[in-house]
Amino acid sequence: ELKVEQNPLFLSMQEGKNYTIYCNYSTTSDRLYWYRQDPGKSLESLFVLLSNGAVKQEGRLMASLDTKARLSTLHITAAVHDLSATYFCAVEPGTYKYIFGTGTRLKVLA
Amino acid sequence: GAVVSQHPSRVICKSGTSVKIECRSLDFQATTMFWYRQFPKQSLMLMATSNEGSKATYEQGVEKDKFLINHASLTLSTLTVTSAHPEDSSFYICSARTVEGEAFFGQGTRLTVV
Repeated sequence: ELKVEQNPLFLSMQEGKNYTIYCNYSTTSDRLYWYRQDPGKSLESLFVLLSNGAVKQEGRLMASLDTKARLSTLHITAAVHDLSATYFCAVEPGTYKYIFGTGTRLKVLA
Repeated sequence: GAVVSQHPSRVICKSGTSVKIECRSLDFQATTMFWYRQFPKQSLMLMATSNEGSKATYEQGVEKDKFLINHASLTLSTLTVTSAHPEDSSFYICSARTVEGEAFFGQGTRLTVV
């Protein structure tokens, strides 16, 4: 059974701090995606990681992919309140459909 | 990025009635669209893959007679929840793939069955 697990599931952090969210998946995947979801809203695309060793950065967020370890990370630098949301990773195991991770609910405290 | 429009954004219906949700790719053609269901504070669960001009492919445990999917054109897929019951209340999200392979998501539909 394909599993995509995120760690932690819940994260409460102070503004200005750094933290990393982990996404582990159990099968090979050509690509890995990171999304943000605000309450009651749909998904906002953050990053598309296409190959082993890929690293992408946008503002205070940086994502990386290690396909050999089947691991992706989403690093948050100097968190601000506006980053509070739920973050999902998703893999694409060669079947054109996305399998989503369990999600990480992030709350940044002012 | 590409735009996927989902309608309606919210719908309340009575038990036993049917509800149709539309998903349109506005600026690209999508031979494949996907329908997801999300319960509160949970992840997205893939329900089915909608293929233009052919039958949808349903994930295990999803009732095809309950959730009717039609993909009549390259820009439109519809999900009809038939004989809705309160347990069908959920957030439904569609996505459509571009030819480059990236998926874009609709705004989601909050279905409440009373």
